[in-house]
Amino acid sequence: AQTVTQSQPEMSVQEAETVTLSCTYDTSESDYYLFWYKQPPSRQMILVIRQEAYKQQNATENRFSVNFQKAAKSFSLKISDSQLGDAAMYFCAYRRNTGNQFYFGTGTSLTVIP
Amino acid sequence: NAGVTQTPKFQVLKTGQSMTLQCAQDMNHNSMYWYRQDPGMGLRLIYYSASEGTTDKGEVPNGYNVSRLNKREFSLRLESAAPSQTSVYFCASSEGTLNLYEQYFGPGTRLTVT
Repeated sequence: AQTVTQSQPEMSVQEAETVTLSCTYDTSESDYYLFWYKQPPSRQMILVIRQEAYKQQNATENRFSVNFQKAAKSFSLKISDSQLGDAAMYFCAYRRNTGNQFYFGTGTSLTVIP
Repeated sequence: NAGVTQTPKFQVLKTGQSMTLQCAQDMNHNSMYWYRQDPGMGLRLIYYSASEGTTDKGEVPNGYNVSRLNKREFSLRLESAAPSQTSVYFCASSEGTLNLYEQYFGPGTRLTVT
């Protein structure tokens, strides 16, 4: 079974600074998709960024970017110029190309310090 | 366009009572999912439906049943609630041909079993 590991239960960052959240996964597949979701206190799950495993280029969405290391099975999220609204729980998720199941990590709670 | 809707938002049950959580999506997605979220555990898949008329067990199906009523609706039933089922429940949907299999989540249902 696929597993997704987020080894940092909690992280904090000063406003306007940069923070990196870690995620590793275990799979024998070569083609799959990776996602970062944000869950603010409202509980609503919001997609932050996604990456296709066959693409070598790291995905970027405004202040959010990933460092995708396929051989190391690592998928970290970098948040630049952190804002108070970035404070949330962040979940890493994996989906293989065939099949319908998503696998989520246990989450990292991010605090942004003014 | 409401996306994914869930009812109710909050529910308190006594041990042994039954209830059904309702979920509907208006995005014409084929796949629908039920997750539970517990502190420190991330999101765990209870059941999913890859298409209308099919359902499959996820990681934690015991104590639950599901019905894919039609393409729009996917309900989760607790036949005899137990305190261990106290959790936040999320419904999600995804479409395999668009948006790289991104999952869209409902707002969640907070269930307490006393």
